[in-house]
Amino acid sequence: DTEVTQTPKHLVMGMTNKKSLKCEQHMGHRAMYWYKQKAKKPPELMFVYSYEKLSINESVPSRFSPECPNSSLLNLHLHALQPEDSALYLCASRPLAFSSYNEQFFGPGTRLTVL
Amino acid sequence: KNEVEQSPQNLTAQEGEFITINCSYSVGISALHWLQQHPGGGIVSLFMLSSGKKKHGRLIATINIQEKHSSLHITASHPRDSAVYTCAVRKPHQGAQKLVFGQGTRLTINP
Repeated sequence: DTEVTQTPKHLVMGMTNKKSLKCEQHMGHRAMYWYKQKAKKPPELMFVYSYEKLSINESVPSRFSPECPNSSLLNLHLHALQPEDSALYLCASRPLAFSSYNEQFFGPGTRLTVL
Repeated sequence: KNEVEQSPQNLTAQEGEFITINCSYSVGISALHWLQQHPGGGIVSLFMLSSGKKKHGRLIATINIQEKHSSLHITASHPRDSAVYTCAVRKPHQGAQKLVFGQGTRLTINP
């Protein structure tokens, strides 16, 4: 298994809903990432988990709550989002967090629309 | 000024043309990535370079560390190559956790 999977592919939610995005990889990677990508812009880093511990939080609002329950799984819990949070949410993983010389693998993304 | 600059921002060409996309960066790096993203799609990593040149099919990526410059070439371009191509760099040491992205080059290949 050499891919990063994300579910759901699409999500539409209201501002009062609570939902979760899921990311999974079975490549034994020990670094996992959440990015947010708005249309026609490069991805913006949100969170990095290294060895299942949160190592980077790029000052993301608390309505986004990441969770890494084990080395294969990364969740992003969403609550009380705003319409401007609508975007493509990308997950990625790497074998090692702190080494420069390994590839980053991206998932297909979840397209989120907040009404 | 962005740490990673790409040119051109948009590129339209005819099928079969040779394509070059350029990336310049202003920081010390340990690796450079070329990424491809089709409209509405996720990101695919095409190359990771720390020196020299790599080739995969019709795609060639080069890097000149002294000049802080990399190029992505596509030979015999095809409409399915239409996508956004983004250069991203990884800094050494603690910075290695993050990729610094360029703004992307939107490539359209017309049949």
